[in-house]
Amino acid sequence: DVKVTQSSRYLVKRTGEKVFLECVQDMDHENMFWYRQDPGLGLRLIYFSYDVKMKEKGDIPEGYSVSREKKERFSLILESASTNQTSMYLCASSPPGVNTEAFFGQGTRLTVV
Amino acid sequence: AQSVTQLDSQVPVFEEAPVELRCNYSSSVSVYLFWYVQYPNQGLQLLLKYLSGSTLVKGINGFEAEFNKSQTSFHLRKPSVHISDTAEYFCAVSDTGGFKTIFGAGTRLFVKA
Repeated sequence: DVKVTQSSRYLVKRTGEKVFLECVQDMDHENMFWYRQDPGLGLRLIYFSYDVKMKEKGDIPEGYSVSREKKERFSLILESASTNQTSMYLCASSPPGVNTEAFFGQGTRLTVV
Repeated sequence: AQSVTQLDSQVPVFEEAPVELRCNYSSSVSVYLFWYVQYPNQGLQLLLKYLSGSTLVKGINGFEAEFNKSQTSFHLRKPSVHISDTAEYFCAVSDTGGFKTIFGAGTRLFVKA
């Protein structure tokens, strides 16, 4: 089975902190994604990567950055956490192409206080 | 630009009743269409997808969806629901020339005994 593992299920951070969300996949997928999920808004794409050291902005990249130094790992970084970044964050991976299934991690619920 | 509209935010239904969750999309090019399910406190998993060919697509857990190009719809159906189908359902679309998948806002299905 494909496994996408997010390092934390729940996180509480203070405003202004630098926050790292880690994601690891074990299926050698080229594509990896970070989404944020908010009630009534569905999933919104923050960043994606289609290869090591490659990254592309999604629809809501402001306030976030990413790192992909190894194929299996894709990190989301909140440079200076703010309360409006309180949300559920979902990582996903997929083989190449947009017609392929995305496999999701269980999510990290981040609260910024 | 692509967009996805899920017409119902919540759908309550009694156990063993049929259900339809509605999804409309807009795109100027050919698309791939997906339905994902998210059970409480879990990530998303694929229910079914339409890539090409037959417009009636069968998925896991007895769900099916029909692609209607003229109405730009991809509604999800199940003839008889179970309590365990209580979850949030997301419709998603990606265009054949792009890199991104766009998700709808989600529909919460509540199955009552």
